[in-house]
Amino acid sequence: SAVISQKPSRDICQRGTSLTIQCQVDSQVTMMFWYRQQPGQSLTLIATANQGSEATYESGFVIDKFPISRPNLTFSTLTVSNMSPEDSSIYLCSGTTGTEKLFFGSGTQLSVL
Amino acid sequence: GESVGLHLPTLSVQEGDNSIINCAYSNSASDYFIWYKQESGKGPQFIIDIRSNMDKRQGQRVTVLLNKTVKHLSLQIAATQPGDSAVYFCAEGPGGSNYKLTFGKGTLLTVNP
Repeated sequence: SAVISQKPSRDICQRGTSLTIQCQVDSQVTMMFWYRQQPGQSLTLIATANQGSEATYESGFVIDKFPISRPNLTFSTLTVSNMSPEDSSIYLCSGTTGTEKLFFGSGTQLSVL
Repeated sequence: GESVGLHLPTLSVQEGDNSIINCAYSNSASDYFIWYKQESGKGPQFIIDIRSNMDKRQGQRVTVLLNKTVKHLSLQIAATQPGDSAVYFCAEGPGGSNYKLTFGKGTLLTVNP
């Protein structure tokens, strides 16, 4: 299995500010993804983090709101920009070692006041 | 803790009983299916997976059954233990080199001692 570390584990933020979430994976991970899990809901894919290039976003998610970086194979960041209470969710980093099986970090629980 | 389970279907069982968690998937072209367990405050943890060319796969205390005719997936947990209490998600994907997963709503399993 892959090891995926994510931080911060939780944060409380003010409306209008931005938060950057960091994800560190071990060297076995080839592809990285960011998911959102709204309260009481399932997981929704935000984007695929591509190494050295722009992320590939899913329908309903845009780069201006959720800029993603992946400067190398083992590190990625997700920024939640200009936050509103509707952005309160768990944000999850995930990765694969080359199969369809995704491994997940422990998540970042974000609360926006 | 995180109120992930409040809006989810629930299943309550007695310790030692067998549990069956069901999932209906939507895409008849999906080739890969996977079950995750998510405990409060943690990221999803892989349980077991199955490909569309199989109808049953067994792991340690868990069995996944796939019925492609009615697009139904189930997870059976034998001799359920209090540590099995969690939210369980099924996910489907196209398989092959496409690693995107679509997650179901989740079921909250509560094991009573």
